[in-house]
Amino acid sequence: QVQLQESGPGLVKPSGTLSLTCAVSGGSISSSNWWSWVRQPPGKGLEWIGEIYHSGSTNYNPSLKSRVTISVDKSKNQFSLKLSSVTAADTAVYYCARGEWLVQSGDWYFDLWGRGTLVTVSS
Amino acid sequence: SSELTQDPAVSVALGQTVRITCQGDSLRSYYASWYQQKPGQAPVLVIYGKNNRPSGIPDRFSGSSSGNTASLTITGAQAEDEADYYCNSRDSSGDVVFGGGTKLTVL
Repeated sequence: QVQLQESGPGLVKPSGTLSLTCAVSGGSISSSNWWSWVRQPPGKGLEWIGEIYHSGSTNYNPSLKSRVTISVDKSKNQFSLKLSSVTAADTAVYYCARGEWLVQSGDWYFDLWGRGTLVTVSS
Repeated sequence: SSELTQDPAVSVALGQTVRITCQGDSLRSYYASWYQQKPGQAPVLVIYGKNNRPSGIPDRFSGSSSGNTASLTITGAQAEDEADYYCNSRDSSGDVVFGGGTKLTVL
């Protein structure tokens, strides 16, 4: 059974870079899936940050694109998020998720989520 | 990227039927997927595609779509269905978009 586990610092200073890793266990990151980062500020809704395919192709939320880098490490079966120039507005629970995109049928969905990790931006 | 619009809150009497809607231009091209999120937990997929339920999701959950509107229907709502519900799809640029979420209260 495939599982996702986020890891990384829970506290980041303003203007610094937030770095998180999502480890994929029980399956291969080279499967036909898109691997995403999604965040949720306290008391607010879900916001998609971006995604990566095992080939290295990426898509980013236009509102965050200038600050986001998502990378994949197939040798470690994991993918990572870097978000630069953070402010208090970036304080959120960060989730990694597995996406299934069936272009011909128009089906798109996240079928697997990590438990999430709270990242607080504060000095 | 385009937006998906949901009503912020909906309530339903125990055992009754409730429909949660999601509107957006992207829904003319992509089916919405729906997620249930309870406090302190990660979202859980409940409906995807035309009207598909992952294994373990009760059959009281169903989905439908018409034009730019997707709907999640819970037939015979249970106390444990009280949660936040989010719709999700791809937009015309290929970006992923979420609705703002609907808080469901079961009375």
